[in-house]
Amino acid sequence: AQTVTQSQPEMSVQEAETVTLSCTYDTSESDYYLFWYKQPPSRQMILVIRQEAYKQQNATENRFSVNFQKAAKSFSLKISDSQLGDAAMYFCAYRTKWGGNQFYFGTGTSLTVIP
Amino acid sequence: DAGVTQSPTHLIKTRGQQVTLRCSPKSGHDTVSWYQQALGQGPQFIFQYYEEEERQRGNFPDRFSGHQFPNYSSELNVNALLLGDSALYLCASSLVGWDTQVGQETQYFGPGTRLLVL
Repeated sequence: AQTVTQSQPEMSVQEAETVTLSCTYDTSESDYYLFWYKQPPSRQMILVIRQEAYKQQNATENRFSVNFQKAAKSFSLKISDSQLGDAAMYFCAYRTKWGGNQFYFGTGTSLTVIP
Repeated sequence: DAGVTQSPTHLIKTRGQQVTLRCSPKSGHDTVSWYQQALGQGPQFIFQYYEEEERQRGNFPDRFSGHQFPNYSSELNVNALLLGDSALYLCASSLVGWDTQVGQETQYFGPGTRLLVL
């Protein structure tokens, strides 16, 4: 089975600064999807950004961008101009492209934004 | 556009009891997946329903069962509850399809049901 590893249980960032959350994964597949989800204290998982493995270009969504290194099996999330509302648990997730819709999640990184 | 909804929001049960959790998928979605999220952990896949059948299953015992209705809503049933079943149960919906429309392969999550087993 695929595994997803988030090695930073907790991170903090000053408001308006930039922070990078790390994620690595293990797979033998060549095509798949990667996601970052945000889970605030309200519990609802919210999609932040997604990346298709066959696309070389890193995905970007407003202040959120990823650094996708396929050979290294690394998928980090960069949050620019951090805001108080960015404080949450962030989960990295993997989904195979073929053969099912099961998501594999990491253990999460708790992000604190300091005013 | 209604998102994924789940009920109830909180539930307290005792060991050995049975529980049923409910989920309504996002409008236009036909596939429902269930996840268990223990405190401080990432979600773990329980199973997925499509066309009223269980299509995939994670590493969970048969005490966990489900159902999908013709309107695509779904139930998760857990029998003979154990203390270790205490967790946040998340439902996620998606649309099965192999075209490249953005978002087709993405799962959208509900707010979850917090289950406490005493």
